[in-house]
Amino acid sequence: GNSVTQMEGPVTLSEEAFLTINCTYTATGYPSLFWYVQYPGEGLQLLLKATKADDKGSNKGFEATYRKETTSFHLEKGSVQVSDSAVYFCALSDKYGNKLVFGAGTILRVKS
Amino acid sequence: EAGVAQSPRYKIIEKRQSVAFWCNPISGHATLYWYQQILGQGPKLLIQFQNNGVVDDSQLPKDRFSAERLKGVDSTLKIQPAKLEDSAVYLCASRTIRQGNEQFFGPGTRLTVL
Repeated sequence: GNSVTQMEGPVTLSEEAFLTINCTYTATGYPSLFWYVQYPGEGLQLLLKATKADDKGSNKGFEATYRKETTSFHLEKGSVQVSDSAVYFCALSDKYGNKLVFGAGTILRVKS
Repeated sequence: EAGVAQSPRYKIIEKRQSVAFWCNPISGHATLYWYQQILGQGPKLLIQFQNNGVVDDSQLPKDRFSAERLKGVDSTLKIQPAKLEDSAVYLCASRTIRQGNEQFFGPGTRLTVL
């Protein structure tokens, strides 16, 4: 079945550091890929998405590119802030947005 | 636009007791999902409704879990009887095809089974 593997955390960075959180997937067909974020005490929010190969999703300074050849969707940000501290989940769905499968999540801690 | 509403936010019960969670999706969203998120893991889909019909319940432990969406709007997820391993956050999400394939999540209900 479909699955998502993301790098284990916690990831601890200083403010303004560069962030990469790796995500790889296994899926049949042509999945859509997502990054969700969960801030402390809040629900899951969609951060960005990509629906086909070579698409780049971006939001709030975060970016991720759908790489079919390497089955990856790595999350990057050029300069993190303390407010980015949260848990980040990589996920995939079928092309209709159903059968959403999540990775285990990566805790990001940003120190000032 | 109001988001997905869930209640209660927290629930503590003894094992073998029953519990129910309620979800009100975003208005007009025909598709509703329930997920279970165990601490340290990503959410896992339990059941998907399209209007008031079940589309996918392949990962729902049907011997103890049940869910319904009688009028195609609100939904209830029940656990009877609860086990220790049911301690988790139960998330409700909804989606409409008019907004592509994004699922919108509620704040969740944190269940602790003692």
